[in-house]
Amino acid sequence: SAVISQKPSRDICQRGTSLTIQCQVDSQVTMMFWYRQQPGQSLTLIATANQGSEATYESGFVIDKFPISRPNLTFSTLTVSNMSPEDSSIYLCSVGGTSELGEQFFGPGTRLTVL
Amino acid sequence: GNSVTQMEGPVTLSEEAFLTINCTYTATGYPSLFWYVQYPGEGLQLLLKATKADDKGSNKGFEATYRKETTSFHLEKGSVQVSDSAVYFCALSSNTGRRALTFGSGTRLQVQP
Repeated sequence: SAVISQKPSRDICQRGTSLTIQCQVDSQVTMMFWYRQQPGQSLTLIATANQGSEATYESGFVIDKFPISRPNLTFSTLTVSNMSPEDSSIYLCSVGGTSELGEQFFGPGTRLTVL
Repeated sequence: GNSVTQMEGPVTLSEEAFLTINCTYTATGYPSLFWYVQYPGEGLQLLLKATKADDKGSNKGFEATYRKETTSFHLEKGSVQVSDSAVYFCALSSNTGRRALTFGSGTRLQVQP
């Protein structure tokens, strides 16, 4: 499986500011995803990061709040904009496996706390 | 749409006890099914998977069988260890379209020595 790294691993931010999270994969992958895991909750898909085109957002998530870049097949960023305490979560990127089975492999996550 | 329902936690067991975590799903077509595990302070790891009816996924002593007739994918282990303490997530992936994962709510397992 691919090796996935995320930066930063954690951060504490002030409300109203923005944070950009980076996701780096050690091999080229077609599918990359961004998820949010609120405290004590399950994972919710934010968007699919598409290489060379705009990300595909899930219901309840918008580009102005969570802009995503995908400049190539090994890298993506997620920005959490104009943050509020409700944005305190773990943000995880994932990549699709090489098989057609639909499994995904996850990065270690970025733990964000907004004060 | 797709959905996954897991049994509520936390589940507290003594070491060497038998574990079952129930998972049922709703999906169109024939999804792939997964169990992921999240150890304290760590990211999500794929534990096992199954892609068609009656498939049995297994790993590290854990097993789950894809039951299409009951739309279930229950996780079992015959003898749990303290090191199995973690949160377990059941998930499915539609085999068409973007193949994003739909997760259950997660079940926290605590194993006491």
